[in-house]
Amino acid sequence: AQSVSQHNHHVILSEAASLELGCNYSYGGTVNLFWYVQYPGQHLQLLLKYFSGDPLVKGIKGFEAEFIKSKFSFNLRKPSVQWSDTAEYFCAVNSNDKIIFGKGTRLHILP
Amino acid sequence: DAGVTQSPTHLIKTRGQQVTLRCSPKSGHDTVSWYQQALGQGPQFIFQYYEEEERQRGNFPDRFSGHQFPNYSSELNVNALLLGDSALYLCASRKNRGNTGELFFGEGSRLTVL
Repeated sequence: AQSVSQHNHHVILSEAASLELGCNYSYGGTVNLFWYVQYPGQHLQLLLKYFSGDPLVKGIKGFEAEFIKSKFSFNLRKPSVQWSDTAEYFCAVNSNDKIIFGKGTRLHILP
Repeated sequence: DAGVTQSPTHLIKTRGQQVTLRCSPKSGHDTVSWYQQALGQGPQFIFQYYEEEERQRGNFPDRFSGHQFPNYSSELNVNALLLGDSALYLCASRKNRGNTGELFFGEGSRLTVL
């Protein structure tokens, strides 16, 4: 069965720090990869996605992710976080038309 | 443009009871998926409906069943509730045609089983 692993369950950073959240997936074929975000009190929404082409994907709010096929990874990055980035982040993979999610990383930004 | 709407937002049931949760997809969407999100976990795929049929199913028992109506809205039914069914139930929709894989989520229905 396909799976998604997120290495960090809870991350605390100060404003302006750089962020990298790890994500690995198990599926070896063609993959579509996603990062979703859930801000406090809001519904899940798409942050960015990778389908094909340039492995460096840029999303909303200054986030980006890099697909590294040889490492089965799709890590999320942001050079300088803001307090408003406090949220839960989920990595996901499209596996045979099912979107499979990781357990999530709760990010807390200190002002 | 209405997004995905779910009802009820919160409900409390006791063990052994049955529950029905409802979802209206985003306008223009015809495919609905249901997810269970337990506390501290990521969303777990329950099943997906398209053209009023269950097209995909995750690792959930038969107590979990669903339905899709001609207007694309959907219901999730859970029978013989267990304490472990307490969770946030999320509905997500997308277009089947030109599928980009992106899902649009509702706010969820939080079920508490006592």
